[in-house]
Amino acid sequence: ETGVTQSPTHLIKTRGQQVTLRCSSQSGHNTVSWYQQALGQGPQFIFQYYREEENGRGNFPPRFSGLQFPNYSSELNVNALELDDSALYLCASSLGGDKNIQYFGAGTRLSVL
Amino acid sequence: QKEVEQNSGPLSVPEGAIASLNCTYSDRGSQSFFWYRQYSGKSPELIMFIYSNGDKEDGRFTAQLNKASQYVSLLIRDSQPSDSATYLCAVNPSNQFYFGTGTSLTVIP
Repeated sequence: ETGVTQSPTHLIKTRGQQVTLRCSSQSGHNTVSWYQQALGQGPQFIFQYYREEENGRGNFPPRFSGLQFPNYSSELNVNALELDDSALYLCASSLGGDKNIQYFGAGTRLSVL
Repeated sequence: QKEVEQNSGPLSVPEGAIASLNCTYSDRGSQSFFWYRQYSGKSPELIMFIYSNGDKEDGRFTAQLNKASQYVSLLIRDSQPSDSATYLCAVNPSNQFYFGTGTSLTVIP
């Protein structure tokens, strides 16, 4: 049990819709990262938030956006959903900095039909 | 070239043997290196992290780092059937985080 919680656990959307995924970080952690994991692949880094600011981004289009709140919880928003967005979305929290040891939540399984 | 490369396997070892998992990375600026275990349908679970060249041991697990060769490995001693999972290597250059595709390990009773 990492203390990182994600909601919802499963979600079904149709192409073109918008989705919001939520993450509560482990107590004391100020950094949240989001990942997309397609079946049979490793997690792909979407972006990282540190103290409410985005401070790192992977190779994802602008329709993937996020927020971090003062309590360090976070949201991932995806607009104009595409079939290829179907994946497991993982949130990880950490203390950031040089070491950045990340602990993952259970994930949200998104299916786009 | 991918940022992190792993042999996808599958790797099969008998119970009680040593399992050796390997990973190479491309960014010489990487300072932090991690091994995660992922069971099917579950999220990644942190096994080991290493920052300095050499070996780091934690129970049955040993991580080895060679920054000159851009190589990091994980040894699992006395492998158990419960170790059967996918093992993900991750590196953390600056504010990015890169995972390999994972190596599938099966420990045969």
